[in-house]
Amino acid sequence: GNSVTQMEGPVTLSEEAFLTINCTYTATGYPSLFWYVQYPGEGLQLLLKATKADDKGSNKGFEATYRKETTSFHLEKGSVQVSDSAVYFCALTNTDKLIFGTGTRLQVFP
Amino acid sequence: NAGVTQTPKFQVLKTGQSMTLQCAQDMNHEYMSWYRQDPGMGLRLIHYSVGAGITDQGEVPNGYNVSRSTTEDFPLRLLSAAPSQTSVYFCASRTLPGQGANTEAFFGQGTRLTVV
Repeated sequence: GNSVTQMEGPVTLSEEAFLTINCTYTATGYPSLFWYVQYPGEGLQLLLKATKADDKGSNKGFEATYRKETTSFHLEKGSVQVSDSAVYFCALTNTDKLIFGTGTRLQVFP
Repeated sequence: NAGVTQTPKFQVLKTGQSMTLQCAQDMNHEYMSWYRQDPGMGLRLIHYSVGAGITDQGEVPNGYNVSRSTTEDFPLRLLSAAPSQTSVYFCASRTLPGQGANTEAFFGQGTRLTVV
């Protein structure tokens, strides 16, 4: 079946450090891939998405590239801010279901 | 633009009590779903619906019932609450994939449920 595997957290960084959160997936066909972000006390909101191989999603300085050959969709940001502290979820869909990874907590310190 | 509205935001129940978590969306989305979020386990799908009158089970459906009488509303019912149902519950809606439309899911703010 379809599944998403994310690196475990928490990821702890200093402000302006480079961020990578790994995400790999297992799916049949050609899924769409997403990164969602959850700020404290809030629901999830879409950060970026990619719908086909080699697509790059980007938003708010975050990027992720849909790599079909490695079944990956790693999230990156060149310079994190304290305000980026949140939980990040990788997700996929290729049917009527949206499947999430377990989430990775990011903590950024000044 | 309300999006997805969940009520209540917080609830404490005693074991064996029943309650309904409400979810409403105003975006005319066909697809609605309920997730529970537990530490270390991410979001797990409880039930979902692809349109009015159609519901199906997700990954963890036991102990929960749903119905979809209108496009806008998708309530989640706990018939006899158990401590294992202590969790944060999220409702989400989106258009269905394969229709040439944006398949982004929109989430409510969540309901924090404690069963004692």
